Amino acid sequence: DSGVTQTPKHLITATGQRVTLRCSPRSGDLSVYWYQQSLDQGLQFLIQYYNGEERAKGNILERFSAQQFPDLHSELNLSSLELGDSALYFCASSGMGNTDTQYFGPGTRLTVL
Amino acid sequence: GESVGLHLPTLSVQEGDNSIINCAYSNSASDYFIWYKQESGKGPQFIIDIRSNMDKRQGQRVTVLLNKTVKHLSLQIAATQPGDSAVYFCAEKERAAGNKLTFGGGTRVLVKP
Repeated sequence: DSGVTQTPKHLITATGQRVTLRCSPRSGDLSVYWYQQSLDQGLQFLIQYYNGEERAKGNILERFSAQQFPDLHSELNLSSLELGDSALYFCASSGMGNTDTQYFGPGTRLTVL
Repeated sequence: GESVGLHLPTLSVQEGDNSIINCAYSNSASDYFIWYKQESGKGPQFIIDIRSNMDKRQGQRVTVLLNKTVKHLSLQIAATQPGDSAVYFCAEKERAAGNKLTFGGGTRVLVKP
C-alpha cells in the first residue's frame, strides 16, 4: 500500500458526460501528479499540483482540468467525455525534493460507452 | 485484472534465474531514472532509482545499470520469483525541468515455475 488513495476504483459513463476523480496524497506529501494510462499511449503525465498551485502541465486536454484543495487532496475533472478517454487514471504524490519518489495510487478505471 | 498493454515486449524467465530488463531513454538531459513495477490491477510500485552521476545502484535483489553514453538503462532481478511477474516500466526525469516523469513503454515479465 503506497498510502495514496483514489476513488472511485471503477467508473462507467456515457459519451458527453462529466466525471470527477479524487485523490488523497500520502501524509505529508505536498505534490500531486495525475497520469493517464491507455493501451496505445502507455503512461502519460497530465498535470502536477504543489501545495494548491499548478506546477507543471503535460499532455492534458482542454476538456480536462484539475485542482488541489487546502487539505491537499486533488480532483481531476473530465468533461465532454469521448470513447478515447477510456483509460486508467493514476494519481501520484511526492515530497518537495526533485528526486523525491513519486508514489502511485491504485488508479481509477474509466470506461466511456 | 486490467490489461496494461496488449503489445508489450515479454520476457519469459525460469523461476530462480536472473532477469534483465532493458530500457532506452530519449532525453539526453534526463538526470534521474526510476524503475517501477506494475502488477495487474494495481498502480506502479517504486522499485529503485538512480541519479545520472552514478552508473550502478543495488537494492534488495535488484540492480540498476545506467549507460549515459548510449542512453540505456537496465534492471537486473536476481533469483526471479513468481511474485516478480508484472509489467516493468522505466521512467526518466530532467530535474531542472520539473518533476514530470516520462515513462517507457514497459516490459512484461512472466516467471515460469
